[in-house]
Order: sequence, then C-alpha cells, then structure tokens
Amino acid sequence: AQSVTQPDIHITVSEGASLELRCNYSYGATPYLFWYVQSPGQGLQLLLKYFSGDTLVQGIKGFEAEFKRSQSSFNLRKPSVHWSDAAEYFCALMIKAAGNKLTFGGGTRVLVKP
Amino acid sequence: NAGVTQTPKFRVLKTGQSMTLLCAQDMNHEYMYWYRQDPGMGLRLIHYSVGEGTTAKGEVPDGYNVSRLKKQNFLLGLESAAPSQTSVYFCASSGLAGGPDTQYFGPGTRLTVL
Repeated sequence: AQSVTQPDIHITVSEGASLELRCNYSYGATPYLFWYVQSPGQGLQLLLKYFSGDTLVQGIKGFEAEFKRSQSSFNLRKPSVHWSDAAEYFCALMIKAAGNKLTFGGGTRVLVKP
Repeated sequence: NAGVTQTPKFRVLKTGQSMTLLCAQDMNHEYMYWYRQDPGMGLRLIHYSVGEGTTAKGEVPDGYNVSRLKKQNFLLGLESAAPSQTSVYFCASSGLAGGPDTQYFGPGTRLTVL
C-alpha cells in the first residue's frame, strides 16, 4: 500500500532564513505528488504539484520542490521565509486509479521567529 | 465563483445524535471527497464519489454514510455520533476524470461530539 511520511512534525525557522520540508513516499508506480499549505483555521491551499517532466517544480509564494525518484522524496524548499509562511504543510500522493485519491503525510508545522 | 463551500462551519453534538454535513461546488467537477483531519495524522479519506449517483469507501468509512444525488453536492452523514468522530472535516473536489488533477478544498467543518 502507498504511504507518505513527513519526518519533521515541527520546524522553527527565523524570518529570512531558508526552509526545507522533507517528504518521503512509498508507491510502486509513477507518483503524482502535491504540497498543500494550511493556515490556522483555514482549508488547504495547493502550493505546487508534480505530474511528470522537469523534476524541479515551482509553486506559489516562492516555494519549489524537487522530485527525486532514487530517494523516493519530494522535498519542499523556500530560500527566504516570511512571517506569513507560518502554517502547516502537507505532502500528498495521488493514486491515478479509480477516484484519484490522495494519501497525505502527517504534516509539518512551521513556526517563524522574528 | 465560490469554489467549494461547506455547511455548517462548527457543530457540537451529543453522543448518539445524527447530523449531515453539506458540501457544494460550483466548478462542475466530477469527483468529490470527504476527509477528516486529526492532529498528527494528516487528512484521511472517508468516502468519495466519481460522479453523480456514485459513492465509494475510502480509508476510514465506518460510522459515516454519503450521498451524491446532484453533481454539485456531496453529503456526509453521521447516523449515531461518537466522541471518536470529533474532528475537522474537509470536502474537496476535482474535475478531470481519467487523469491526475488538483483537488480543491473547502474551509472545513469543526465537529465536536460530547
């Protein structure tokens, strides 16, 4: 069965510093991968997605992610964090078979220090 | 264009009571989903629908029922609420049948079962 692991439950970063969030997946076929962000009390907003092609994908709000098949990873990065990036981030894997269902990781909560 | 809306936003139930959560989307999407979000567990799929009149079980379907009588609406029912169903519930929809596509999420419903 497929699974998604986000090893870091909490990350604290200083404003202006770089950020990297880890995501590892387990799936036997070509993965379709997503990163979503959830601000407190809000729904989920799509940051970026990888379906095929270039393994470095650009998203909104200055985020990017790199798909590495050999490491089964899809890590999210941002060069310089803003206070508004404080949120919870979810990595998800889509199964293209019936229903295009998403399997989510447990999430990483990012705190931004001034 | 409201996207995905959920009704109600908050609800408190007593054990054994029933209720229905309503999800509506105005994007003419084929697929709709219900998830629950619990701390540290990400989002887990309860039920989903690949078209009007169809429903299917997800990862955690027990204690829930769903109906999709109209393409734009997806209802989640709790017939006899239990404290274990205290959670935040999210509805999502996606449009591209047969291929990978982004899921768009509603703002969530916070349910407490006493």
